[in-house]
Amino acid sequence: QKEVEQNSGPLSVPEGAIASLNCTYSDRGSQSFFWYRQYSGKSPELIMSIYSNGDKEDGRFTAQLNKASQYVSLLIRDSQPSDSATYLCAVNIGTDKLIFGTGTRLQVFP
Amino acid sequence: GAGVSQTPSNKVTEKGKYVELRCDPISGHTALYWYRQSLGQGPEFLIYFQGTGAADDSGLPNDRFFAVRPEGSVSTLKIQRTERGDSAVYLCASSPAGDADTQYFGPGTRLTVL
Repeated sequence: QKEVEQNSGPLSVPEGAIASLNCTYSDRGSQSFFWYRQYSGKSPELIMSIYSNGDKEDGRFTAQLNKASQYVSLLIRDSQPSDSATYLCAVNIGTDKLIFGTGTRLQVFP
Repeated sequence: GAGVSQTPSNKVTEKGKYVELRCDPISGHTALYWYRQSLGQGPEFLIYFQGTGAADDSGLPNDRFFAVRPEGSVSTLKIQRTERGDSAVYLCASSPAGDADTQYFGPGTRLTVL
């Protein structure tokens, strides 16, 4: 079992819709959780971090964490074509290195 | 201010050759990380420096890979006897002291081993 799992997609949503991206992790000692956005040919860019159970909102982005279910999600409201990218889920298990999932490719079509 | 920089942006080499990849972190960042990203995969941790010392090198795949950070700033990832399977994008990230959760990535070096 991989430490961080994501559906590779692509996830296709129409412009203006809500995109829902999901991630599960295996290490119950995981302490910090992150969503990175990576445009094709570019480096990952941190868009959200979450540390405690519940929701965390930042603009059009909401991260959700459920430690009991070992589940992290990212919601993107009012999706735009410019949101089309690969979204990487990452976890810090307390060792200061990030463990990444394979990423979910999101396509927002006009 | 300037972000993390990496050179070269692209490196093409032949199987068996030696390569060096350079990372210049954000000024003042004490922690520096190397990751490797293969096509269709997420970044995979290689090594982490806190200052000049390697705090965790558990991700280095074998003894052909080595990294240094002699003055606690610039780091060089060295790969000996390159193999075709080493082809990937090598990413460097840095973070401020005591804030490993905020890692800023450089643009990466795309290594192609022919």
